[in-house]
Amino acid sequence: DTAVSQTPKYLVTQMGNDKSIKCEQNLGHDTMYWYKQDSKKFLKIMFSYNNKELIINETVPNRFSPKSPDKAHLNLHINSLELGDSAVYFCASSQEGRTNTGELFFGEGSRLTVL
Amino acid sequence: AQSVTQLGSHVSVSEGALVLLRCNYSSSVPPYLFWYVQYPNQGLQLLLKYTTGATLVKGINGFEAEFKKSETSFHLTKPSAHMSDAAEYFCAVSEGYSTLTFGKGTMLLVSP
Repeated sequence: DTAVSQTPKYLVTQMGNDKSIKCEQNLGHDTMYWYKQDSKKFLKIMFSYNNKELIINETVPNRFSPKSPDKAHLNLHINSLELGDSAVYFCASSQEGRTNTGELFFGEGSRLTVL
Repeated sequence: AQSVTQLGSHVSVSEGALVLLRCNYSSSVPPYLFWYVQYPNQGLQLLLKYTTGATLVKGINGFEAEFKKSETSFHLTKPSAHMSDAAEYFCAVSEGYSTLTFGKGTMLLVSP
């Protein structure tokens, strides 16, 4: 069983379209994240949810909207896609609590290409 | 605020040679430190981590790293490189309740 799974793995679309990426984790973790990895491999956090509540919202255009229907799922919806949105988007999860070390468990990524 | 600096965006070694990937961190509290590896077209996989205790940490695939508080470093080493080690390596720091902060990554290239 894949611990953190994302769909789709590849997404090619036109500018101006709206698209969603889904993420599910079966690790029983409380916190889930979206990271963006640009063409230079730099990883930047976008959002973090803890038990369905938004706890981190970095400087991200409001065209990006995360949704967490339950603590095992965190989806990312992107409106009016732009060329600069092309990147690999990673979902990750971690376990909060007194023993939290910050260790993240990553999905395999969703490569978004905007034409 | 925590931060990570990885020296060298690319490191090239010959197969069988020593691998050394450098990582320096900044943290206001005792840090938790991580190395992740990313193979082409894949997600990030944890190589090893330092939380508390022994400062020399062993990870998967023969890698190890040493936490040196006085030097604020957490360099990653492997005695003998293998072709399959070619990948992107990320150092990361956490202050426990904070989100991981990643370095910019180092691409390890291994030649025959």
